[in-house]
Amino acid sequence: GQNIDQPTEMTATEGAIVQINCTYQTSGFNGLFWYQQHAGEAPTFLSYNVLDGLEEKGRFSSFLSRSKGYSYLLLKELQMKDSASYLCAVMDSNYQLIWGAGTKLIIKP
Amino acid sequence: GAVVSQHPSRVICKSGTSVKIECRSLDFQATTMFWYRQFPKQSLMLMATSNEGSKATYEQGVEKDKFLINHASLTLSTLTVTSAHPEDSSFYICSARDWDAGETDTQYFGPGTRLTVL
Repeated sequence: GQNIDQPTEMTATEGAIVQINCTYQTSGFNGLFWYQQHAGEAPTFLSYNVLDGLEEKGRFSSFLSRSKGYSYLLLKELQMKDSASYLCAVMDSNYQLIWGAGTKLIIKP
Repeated sequence: GAVVSQHPSRVICKSGTSVKIECRSLDFQATTMFWYRQFPKQSLMLMATSNEGSKATYEQGVEKDKFLINHASLTLSTLTVTSAHPEDSSFYICSARDWDAGETDTQYFGPGTRLTVL
């Protein structure tokens, strides 16, 4: 079956760095997405990786290793507004999105 | 974990026809379901919130007569795109919230339906 795993909850300190991991087993691969979702709001697109390597976008970076079925989202210089759920989703060979359950990130002062 | 399915996964239709997309919560009861539209590499755009047994709440700019939503049971919501046009071609994603579990913030997302209007 298809599966996406990511931690349920993480806690970090304002100003620090946090890495949210995502491992996947899917039938085919057409890219991996990271979304940020604040409570009561629609998910916001953060990144899309289809090739191996690190993609940096401001304070957020996303890494992909297709051979390992692994990705991480790296958040630097954490701010209180970064407290949210972070969703990992993989597009499979049928261009269907397989979603992780999301990681709730709690930022403490 | 909770599973949400969508049917069909992809559909191609002619301009002017109507298309119905189903969203089902497979192992939980969803009093609230959400319908999103996604453009490539962009954020999910909330179209409407569907509550079981009542009328859907549409976001500003979304035509309720064009995008008909029915949430007739605790496990099924449908989105009907009426008189579809090529500009309606998109990836439609639903999500469901399980209130009984007490998880007020958690949404479970479906795999999406790719609509292509010729």
